[in-house]
Amino acid sequence: GQQVMQIPQYQHVQEGEDFTTYCNSSTTLSNIQWYKQRPGGHPVFLIQLVKSGEVKKQKRLTFQFGEAKKNSSLHITATQTTDVGTYFCAALTQGGSEKLVFGKGTKLTVNP
Amino acid sequence: DTAVSQTPKYLVTQMGNDKSIKCEQNLGHDTMYWYKQDSKKFLKIMFSYNNKELIINETVPNRFSPKSPDKAHLNLHINSLELGDSAVYFCASSPGGLATDTQYFGPGTRLTVL
Repeated sequence: GQQVMQIPQYQHVQEGEDFTTYCNSSTTLSNIQWYKQRPGGHPVFLIQLVKSGEVKKQKRLTFQFGEAKKNSSLHITATQTTDVGTYFCAALTQGGSEKLVFGKGTKLTVNP
Repeated sequence: DTAVSQTPKYLVTQMGNDKSIKCEQNLGHDTMYWYKQDSKKFLKIMFSYNNKELIINETVPNRFSPKSPDKAHLNLHINSLELGDSAVYFCASSPGGLATDTQYFGPGTRLTVL
């Protein structure tokens, strides 16, 4: 079935270091959404990208959608302990069924 | 004030039992979903309803039966619980029926089958 591959599965950083998670698909994506799930919490929507090559920023977070609309990335500059959690991408593939397919997530831990 | 609420938050039960999880949203959204998150944190859609009509029914054992009495409620009934059903079940809602809509998740129900 449709798959969205997300890497890395885990990332451990020192506070202040940067962090990036990547989402890749073999098929063209209609859109991509990013969610954050804090430990013990529920997924919370961060952003949606729709256009080829789109870049959006939220404070220290930068989201990119690839030119071919087959990959996306989330980059956090100068991580803080509040960034801890699992980051999921979710995508709707073009021509596919009308459901979001979630990546397996990247679990970020930050050492103070 | 809670946008998407679920009850119960925790559910511990024996194998073979039947249990239900309830979900309510007060956002006025048309579409509601059930997701299962396993121990490895993998989020997988189970069902979605749009205005009380079943839209998505993934490959889920028929021991799982969703019911939507109105568009603000989506309940999940599970018959003959098995060990492998242990997971966190998230209810979610979105404004319209499009998968491009933002999904608002409930707090989750942690189901443990002994």
